[in-house]
Amino acid sequence: QKEVEQNSGPLSVPEGAIASLNCTYSDRGSQSFFWYRQYSGKSPELIMSIYSNGDKEDGRFTAQLNKASQYVSLLIRDSQPSDSATYLCALYPGGSYIPTFGRGTSLIVHP
Amino acid sequence: EAQVTQNPRYLITVTGKKLTVTCSQNMNHEYMSWYRQDPGLGLRQIYYSMNVEVTDKGDVPEGYKVSRKEKRNFPLILESPSPNQTSLYFCASRFGTGLNNEQFFGPGTRLTVL
Repeated sequence: QKEVEQNSGPLSVPEGAIASLNCTYSDRGSQSFFWYRQYSGKSPELIMSIYSNGDKEDGRFTAQLNKASQYVSLLIRDSQPSDSATYLCALYPGGSYIPTFGRGTSLIVHP
Repeated sequence: EAQVTQNPRYLITVTGKKLTVTCSQNMNHEYMSWYRQDPGLGLRQIYYSMNVEVTDKGDVPEGYKVSRKEKRNFPLILESPSPNQTSLYFCASRFGTGLNNEQFFGPGTRLTVL
């Protein structure tokens, strides 16, 4: 079983703080890592993708990938109430066209 | 507007009554797939298609059928729905088969089987 683990939360942070979301995975051959945001009852939307070790920044979002330690994280700077959603981590296990999704972490940003 | 559409958005049906959920994309994407999302279980892939007339099973294909006769359409068929197929269903598409390409999701279909 190729697993993607996320803490279900909820993670609660005050407005303006940094939210840190983490994801660990079991398949060392995994490639192409993604973070999706999903509002309740809505479809997932892609926030970030990362393919190589290190950091990737896009606006208030930073994705971090460490293949040796098998984790990928998402940092949200200056968190806003509109960031309150469930964040899904996803990846393609080695040699697979079927993406594996984590169960998601619920983020609550309170004013 | 580039989009993935699904119909119906909401459906309540009874056990054993065949149904079809349609999915259409206007982005000329080769790859399309169906997911179901259940509380505590996350998103799980049902079937996917790499191109016209090419389909394959995902992680949870039992009780479902698909077809890909045209590039833009990828309907999900439940021949004999059962209550355990009550779920939120998403269709998705992406350009090509490259794993780096973004997946675009449809708005979802909430299905209840009584």
